Amino acid sequence: RKEVEQDPGPFNVPEGATVAFNCTYSNSASQSFFWYRQDCRKEPKLLMSVYSSGNEDGRFTAQLNRASQYISLLIRDSKLSDSATYLCVVLLYTGRRALTFGSGTRLQVQP
Amino acid sequence: GAGVSQSPSNKVTEKGKDVELRCDPISGHTALYWYRQSLGQGLEFLIYFQGNSAPDKSGLPSDRFSAERTGGSVSTLTIQRTQQEDSAVYLCASITEIAGGPNTQYFGPGTRLTVL
Repeated sequence: RKEVEQDPGPFNVPEGATVAFNCTYSNSASQSFFWYRQDCRKEPKLLMSVYSSGNEDGRFTAQLNRASQYISLLIRDSKLSDSATYLCVVLLYTGRRALTFGSGTRLQVQP
Repeated sequence: GAGVSQSPSNKVTEKGKDVELRCDPISGHTALYWYRQSLGQGLEFLIYFQGNSAPDKSGLPSDRFSAERTGGSVSTLTIQRTQQEDSAVYLCASITEIAGGPNTQYFGPGTRLTVL
């Protein structure tokens, strides 16, 4: 089983739609959670951290459910510029503190 | 300030040749990571450097892979006797590790390695 699992998509949605991505992680000791965005042939960039209480940044809302080991990202009022791959990322506080990345969910927003 | 830089941006090599990839982290960042990303795949951890500690090499896929970090700054990833399955984008990331601080990793643009 992969440490971080995501639906690869693609999710094809019209502009203005609301879309939700889910992610599950296998290690219950995971302590920090993030969503990164990766545009085609570009490096990943941090979109937002995910907090237990849930957090919102503009049109983006992230949720964490530790009991179910589940993370979500909700995008409201999708824009064409939201088209990208969204990576679910987990940090384990082992010695190396390396991020563990999901394979990503591809979003294509269509006009 | 400058972000993480990597060179070369693209490298095409023949099977069996050695390659060196370079990463210049953000100045002052104490930790440096190498990942690789094969086409359509997620990121795979390779190696981690933190200050003067021994690097964590647990992600290196074979003994053909090695990495150094000189002076706590620039890092080079060396792949010996390259194979076609080594073709991927090699990403470097740096972070400043402060207890209780942010864990944001800043990625370089990557080196796209193609082994023919």
